[in-house]
Amino acid sequence: KAGVTQTPRYLIKTRGQQVTLSCSPISGHRSVSWYQQTPGQGLQFLFEYFSETQRNKGNFPGRFSGRQFSNSRSEMNVSTLELGDSALYLCASSLAGGGLMRKLFFGSGTQLSVL
Amino acid sequence: DQQVKQNSPSLSVQEGRISILNCDYTNSMFDYFLWYKKYPAEGPTFLISISSIKDKNEDGRFTVFLNKSAKHLSLHIVPSQPGDSAVYFCAARAGDAGNMLTFGGGTRLMVKP
Repeated sequence: KAGVTQTPRYLIKTRGQQVTLSCSPISGHRSVSWYQQTPGQGLQFLFEYFSETQRNKGNFPGRFSGRQFSNSRSEMNVSTLELGDSALYLCASSLAGGGLMRKLFFGSGTQLSVL
Repeated sequence: DQQVKQNSPSLSVQEGRISILNCDYTNSMFDYFLWYKKYPAEGPTFLISISSIKDKNEDGRFTVFLNKSAKHLSLHIVPSQPGDSAVYFCAARAGDAGNMLTFGGGTRLMVKP
């Protein structure tokens, strides 16, 4: 079974640009979560989607958005990039969302550098 | 305000000995706890978890202990192996938060041959 696939693996952008990151969950998984990892803040939750609906949202500005498609694939978008957005963006998929906790399987991440 | 804290940024252990990684939390709504292992340039890999209704869970060389009154959990690795060298994160979830996890800052474990 293929794991969580994130594309692209590396990305370099300049301030003010926007970026779209993609995540394909494990086949059969309907929940997709996004996390940001930085050296200073660690791993922080961005948002979670389940059956195309955003279920939870972390404490990030509105420049960070996401969506989930009917095939469970997900994209996240960051507009008006700032230097502080440089981070490893991780996607995780799970069989279920809501109250029933399931293991999260993480992808290898997209390393975003903002210059 | 960090709700999940791993106070030791690094830990060095001899191969074959026990590794003990600690994690403290403040939010009494957390009801599920997980440990992840992470290598550089890779996503975290799930290791072991524990529900708040238990105080211990064991899986092979890995055991997680939960002390709810102290709001403290620990991961024991016995025996430690050089391949265990990685960054370990503890994470917690509040009951109504779906798959939203709050992570600690991580502890870098180095197992020396």
